[in-house]
Amino acid sequence: NAGVMQNPRHLVRRRGQEARLRCSPMKGHSHVYWYRQLPEEGLKFMVYLQKENIIDESGMPKERFSAEFPKEGPSILRIQQVVRGDSAAYFCASSRESGTGRISGNTIYFGEGSWLTVV
Amino acid sequence: GENVEQHPSTLSVQEGDSAVIKCTYSDSASNYFPWYKQELGKGPQLIIDIRSNVGEKKDQRIAVTLNKTAKHFSLHITETQPEDSAVYFCAASEAGGTSYGKLTFGQGTILTVHP
Repeated sequence: NAGVMQNPRHLVRRRGQEARLRCSPMKGHSHVYWYRQLPEEGLKFMVYLQKENIIDESGMPKERFSAEFPKEGPSILRIQQVVRGDSAAYFCASSRESGTGRISGNTIYFGEGSWLTVV
Repeated sequence: GENVEQHPSTLSVQEGDSAVIKCTYSDSASNYFPWYKQELGKGPQLIIDIRSNVGEKKDQRIAVTLNKTAKHFSLHITETQPEDSAVYFCAASEAGGTSYGKLTFGQGTILTVHP
């Protein structure tokens, strides 16, 4: 999973500030996923993106959270007006394009995470 | 949507013993089942995965079994070592074809291997 690069690894924000988390997928991967892990809990899906497209954002909170994966550059998860409950580890993952008509690909590799602390 | 249940939540074994972690899933459309190991302060690391067209897969000391009829799958670690101590997560998704790999995770198992 060393191929999925996330930064910053640790981020401290005061309540009301904005947090921006960046993710560069593994080389050759065009699918990016963001997951959130609250303290002592499992990982929860937030959003799935391909280049310039949001495919599934069913796990994203309706307000304050947004994600993008531009044509050039890393994927960005943006949290506006952070609150203490946003404190968590945010993991980015990536996978290759899946084949059509058969079960293949879609092995998902995770980055080392970005730990957000809201004070 | 998919729901994945994982047991036990904690597991303590002696070095050299075997460890078994079990998961059940609810969505019969799920066809991809990976297992991840997460060490403190790090990201999940894929250790083994299985797809629904096979019932068992083995990689050295690690094996995974899948029973699609009963909707459960298990991780088996033999000859455990202290460095196996970590949190283990199972997951399920409907992958391949025109679908994609959105994972639903279990709650995790804290495995402790005592020297």
